Amino acid sequence: EIVLTQSPGTLSLSPGERATLSCRASQSVSSSYLAWYQQKPGQAPRLLIYGASSRATGIPDRFSGSGSGTDFTLTISRLEPEDFAVYYCQQYGSSLTFGQGTRLEIK
Amino acid sequence: QVQLVQSGAEVKKPGASVKVSCKASGYTFTSYYMHWVRQAPGQGLEWMGIINPSGGSTSYAQKFQGRVTMTRDTSTSTVYMELSSLRSEDTAVYYCARRGTLAVAGYYYYYMDVWGKGTTVTVSS
Repeated sequence: EIVLTQSPGTLSLSPGERATLSCRASQSVSSSYLAWYQQKPGQAPRLLIYGASSRATGIPDRFSGSGSGTDFTLTISRLEPEDFAVYYCQQYGSSLTFGQGTRLEIK
Repeated sequence: QVQLVQSGAEVKKPGASVKVSCKASGYTFTSYYMHWVRQAPGQGLEWMGIINPSGGSTSYAQKFQGRVTMTRDTSTSTVYMELSSLRSEDTAVYYCARRGTLAVAGYYYYYMDVWGKGTTVTVSS
């Protein structure tokens, strides 16, 4: 099973700042099968990025994804108040796993 | 619009079973696989398995093998997830999520593009 490790566990930033979230896989992951989700309290997760770098429908362009192999990154260029949430990476190889999440909180 | 409507909250005793439903609308039910994902209180997301609504084939996470059964009813566009031998650790919100698929230049992209609102299952004596 591929283990995804997200860092940091918690990221404290202010609106307008840039956020960089990391997702590291225990073995190589096909970029086609790497996705990022945002989850707010009491809500279901929402798809942000698929294929490591493609934005899902309706996702603002301040969200971007990059990476390949074992290292992937989600970047939020300028934080808006509604961006403070928990973010999960997910891979779909021989099985499907999620990272443990990064909590993005207001500083 | 595309939506997944899940059944209501359940309270079960240890050792019992629970069956959660997820009714799809707004798209061709048999054209998209469906995942089940759960989230224990204050914890992260955990994948349970996937079902192909077209033929009914399934693939389960190893952790749940032998305890989970996923089925579908094409006449009502509904998928079901049944978890047996419940224990307190199964207390969680259970989500169904559609598997989106995109084929581009010979590459296939898979992701969870539509989610239900979740069903809370509480296991308590």
